[in-house]
This record gives sequence, structure tokens and C-alpha cells, in this order.
Amino acid sequence: SAVISQKPSRDICQRGTSLTIQCQVDSQVTMMFWYRQQPGQSLTLIATANQGSEATYESGFVIDKFPISRPNLTFSTLTVSNMSPEDSSIYLCSVQDIGADNQPQHFGDGTRLSIL
Amino acid sequence: AQSVTQLDSHVSVSEGTPVLLRCNYSSSYSPSLFWYVQHPNKGLQLLLKYTSAATLVKGINGFEAEFKKSETSFHLTKPSAHMSDAAEYFCVVTGAGSYQLTFGKGTKLSVIP
Repeated sequence: SAVISQKPSRDICQRGTSLTIQCQVDSQVTMMFWYRQQPGQSLTLIATANQGSEATYESGFVIDKFPISRPNLTFSTLTVSNMSPEDSSIYLCSVQDIGADNQPQHFGDGTRLSIL
Repeated sequence: AQSVTQLDSHVSVSEGTPVLLRCNYSSSYSPSLFWYVQHPNKGLQLLLKYTSAATLVKGINGFEAEFKKSETSFHLTKPSAHMSDAAEYFCVVTGAGSYQLTFGKGTKLSVIP
């Protein structure tokens, strides 16, 4: 399966600032996704990162708060803007290749973000 | 639409004893089902997947799961727990042809020496 690298692995940020998280894959993939995992919770899909076009956001998530880029088939970024303590979470990127048999998604190690 | 219920938020077993993590699902489609494991400070690692082939699925690290359509269940088992199995486990369902994953709330597995 693809090897997924996320940077940074963790960060502590001041409220009101923004942080950009990078996701790099070692091979071209069809689909890339961004998830949020709040403390003690399961994963929630933020958006699908579309190559060469605007991301597709899930209900409750907006582009102004979570701008996403995907310039090619191996790289994507998620920015968490104007951060508040409620944004303290783990942010994970995942990838999937579309095949005949519902290929699973594979996840990076995540970015652990704390907002002071 | 689909949903997943993991019946236990926390399971504790002794090292060397069997592990059972329970998962029930509902889906409007023929589902694909997955189990992922998350070790502390790590991302999610795929343990095994069911995609309408054999109903008994073998995964990594000695884990397996059985798809039971009549019971809408996909329980995860392992004959003998190891200390390294201590982690959070997520049962996940997706509809046919869909990339939309629905996650259970997770089951934290503790292994007692």
C-alpha cells in the first residue's frame, strides 16, 4: 500500500493563528481525504481533496475555515485557519485508489494539534 | 445510508486469552466492512476488509472477522492476545462503490500482563 507522510506530526499554536498541514504520498492516488479526530472521538470526514479543483466539503465544514489544496496526484495540504481551542484535534489524511472491489483507505500518522 | 455500532467502548483481556470486539452495522447497500487499529500517537492501520468474497476474513497480526448478514455483525477476534495488541479499534462500513466511510465510535482494548 501507499506510504503516506504527514507534516508536522504535532504542533502547539496560539489562538487566532493558522497552520498548514502537508500530506505526501509515495505514489499517485485517485482520492485524497482529510479527517478530524477530536479528543476521545472517532473520525469525521472534513473534505475530499480534488486534484486541480476545489475540495468537496462535508456538512459542517467550510472552505474559509479549512482551505485545501491538491496540486497533483501525490500531494495535498489542509490549512486550519483562525484557530481556537475547539480546533485541538488530530488531523489525518487518507488515500484511496478506485478499483472494482472497494479498495480500503490508507491513513497517515496524523497531525496532533493543540491550541492555547 | 449506513451506520456502525461498536458494542463495547472498552474491553480488557489478559495476555494469552481470546479477544472479541463486537460490531454491528446497517447499510442500504451490500456493504464493504473494515477493521482499523490505532496505536497511541499513530494513524489508522488497516487490519482486514470484507468486500463480498469469503465471509471469514483473515487479517494481519492473527486477527480475523466473520461477516454474518443475518445478524448484521462483523465481530473481530483473535485467539490469543498480545501486549502489543493494546490499542483503539474502529469498525468501518461503506456502501457499494462509495468512498464515504462511516466509523464506529471505537473500542479501546487493554491487555493485562
